[in-house]
Amino acid sequence: QVQVVESGGGVVQPGRSLRLSCAASGITFKTYALHWVRQAPGKGLEWVALISNDATERKFADSVKGRVTVSRDDSKDTVYLEMNSLRPEDTGVYYCARDVGDLDYVYYGMDVWGQGTTVTVSS
Amino acid sequence: TQLTQSPSFLSASVGDRVTITCRASQAIDSYLAWYQQKPGKAPKLLIYGASTLHTGVPSRFSGSGSGTEFSLTISSLQPEDFATYYCQQLNRFPLAFGGGTKVEIK
Repeated sequence: QVQVVESGGGVVQPGRSLRLSCAASGITFKTYALHWVRQAPGKGLEWVALISNDATERKFADSVKGRVTVSRDDSKDTVYLEMNSLRPEDTGVYYCARDVGDLDYVYYGMDVWGQGTTVTVSS
Repeated sequence: TQLTQSPSFLSASVGDRVTITCRASQAIDSYLAWYQQKPGKAPKLLIYGASTLHTGVPSRFSGSGSGTEFSLTISSLQPEDFATYYCQQLNRFPLAFGGGTKVEIK
């Protein structure tokens, strides 16, 4: 059974840090690029970050650049999103997703998604 | 690269043919994907590479376009198709989603 499960969300004060995890079972993350996408309450989708299949390419949205890092542990089929200096506008549901493509450094879309983990930044 | 979806809201009946447009601010070749999202659920991939139907997606969904103009067409709207649809460009960073099109029952 395919499962992708995010964890690590919660309520955090502005300026604090949070580490999100996303683990796969029944499928593999190896050889695939992985994305993080978020959705503020009642709003649309916002792409946040990408890590390439070999972890040599890491890209970020302008809204989080310099405050966020992404990493992966293929031995655990897990990807991480470390968020620092959190702001109220970082509030939302955070999804991880696997890219459907299998070419190096070429991205096509996200075919496997987790159920999301909620981050609330509030004092 | 910004994506502009239109319309942002669409009211239609079961059996209708529906087309959603996505316009890119710069040419993105065919690196465009379409997603369907229902309330409280993660998005689902429908189309990638502008026109490739993802595995398991019904054939009533189709995508077309390249460069800056793209469209998603549902040939005969079914009850389960009422949802919000997003386009996404994957040609250049930062990647971006369109603002979404909510399809509701007339």
